Amino acid sequence: ETGVTQSPTHLIKTRGQQVTLRCSSQSGHNTVSWYQQALGQGPQFIFQYYREEENGRGNFPPRFSGLQFPNYSSELNVNALELDDSALYLCASSLTWTESYAYGYTFGSGTRLTVV
Amino acid sequence: KNEVEQSPQNLTAQEGEFITINCSYSVGISALHWLQQHPGGGIVSLFMLSSGKKKHGRLIATINIQEKHSSLHITASHPRDSAVYICATNFGNEKLTFGTGTRLTIIP
Repeated sequence: ETGVTQSPTHLIKTRGQQVTLRCSSQSGHNTVSWYQQALGQGPQFIFQYYREEENGRGNFPPRFSGLQFPNYSSELNVNALELDDSALYLCASSLTWTESYAYGYTFGSGTRLTVV
Repeated sequence: KNEVEQSPQNLTAQEGEFITINCSYSVGISALHWLQQHPGGGIVSLFMLSSGKKKHGRLIATINIQEKHSSLHITASHPRDSAVYICATNFGNEKLTFGTGTRLTIIP
């Protein structure tokens, strides 16, 4: 049983650039959720993908977008990077959120993005 | 408003002490998660519980659904237990709502 792998682990980008972060899902899971964690804060929900469709979105602008692939891995894309986008980006895989009540979440180790 | 609150925010204890971290939530839930986050960021899921008590090694989690309260206990604490402990729940939708976290430091 594989865990959740995120890549890259660290990334430095310049304001205005675009970035793509990647997340594998645990074997058997069909749902991936993305969270942004600013320094000293709790994670904030960005969006969730279930079977390649967006299945809920938090309070983030459209320049945050995502994809989920047939193997249930996922990408988070951020366009026009701003300094405030500097954060740890976490993904978590699960079964559907209703089933997550019974089966829980598996988290990745995160990608630390620094925007300069 | 769906909220999760934790206490204390920071906790420093001597090695060997019994540790308790508390979590309360605003409305009824189906399950509550306890998570551990080490410096560097990765989150490890410790427990998911919907009633009663769960134990794993030196860690014990309890939940009281009627009182909307959960506790995480660590027995015989060790410096390697130093981390941020976070409780989280779904509140009946697709996103996890996280508590503010408790930063635990165990001094040798």
